[in-house]
Amino acid sequence: EDKVVQSPLSLVVHEGDTVTLNCSYEVTNFRSLLWYKQEKKAPTFLFMLTSSGIEKKSGRLSSILDKKELFSILNITATQTGDSAIYLCATPQGGSEKLVFGKGTKLTVNP
Amino acid sequence: GAGVSQSPSNKVTEKGKDVELRCDPISGHTALYWYRQSLGQGLEFLIYFQGNSAPDKSGLPSDRFSAERTGGSVSTLTIQRTQQEDSAVYLCASSFGGGANVLTFGAGSRLTVL
Repeated sequence: EDKVVQSPLSLVVHEGDTVTLNCSYEVTNFRSLLWYKQEKKAPTFLFMLTSSGIEKKSGRLSSILDKKELFSILNITATQTGDSAIYLCATPQGGSEKLVFGKGTKLTVNP
Repeated sequence: GAGVSQSPSNKVTEKGKDVELRCDPISGHTALYWYRQSLGQGLEFLIYFQGNSAPDKSGLPSDRFSAERTGGSVSTLTIQRTQQEDSAVYLCASSFGGGANVLTFGAGSRLTVL
């Protein structure tokens, strides 16, 4: 069964800290891995990764994929209170068009 | 529209009543998804529409759940004879193409069944 496992489930840090969020996956016919940020209701897209070892970067956020070890990490440097959110990882299920999501990591950044 | 619109944003209903949740996707997006998010859980796939193809209903949890998409645009998710375990946030998303593409989510409809 295709699955996505995220860790940790919850994380509390102080402003300025650097955090690393983890996502491991098992899926047949891997195509891509996606990261979303969910603050209130609607998840918003962060990154889509398809190739190993190529870092995607957007400001203080970056992500990388390891297709051999079947995981991805999302790094956030110099965290701000506005980074507080649930970070979701997802991958298309093999042979279908549905995204399989992990349970998410709830990040809380305290001032 | 500029984004994915969902209504109502909040719905409180009594056990046993039927509810309808509406989703208006981004204009031109051919793919439309419904997901459910229960407290502390990840997003659970419900149903997927792509163009004129038969929908993928494999995620619907019971026959009380149904969805339709009229004219390739607006979609309605119907839950009949609601149960307390149906309480969740129902998220709609659309994309230009299939699941390997980026989804744009709506703000969701929070359903509370008393």
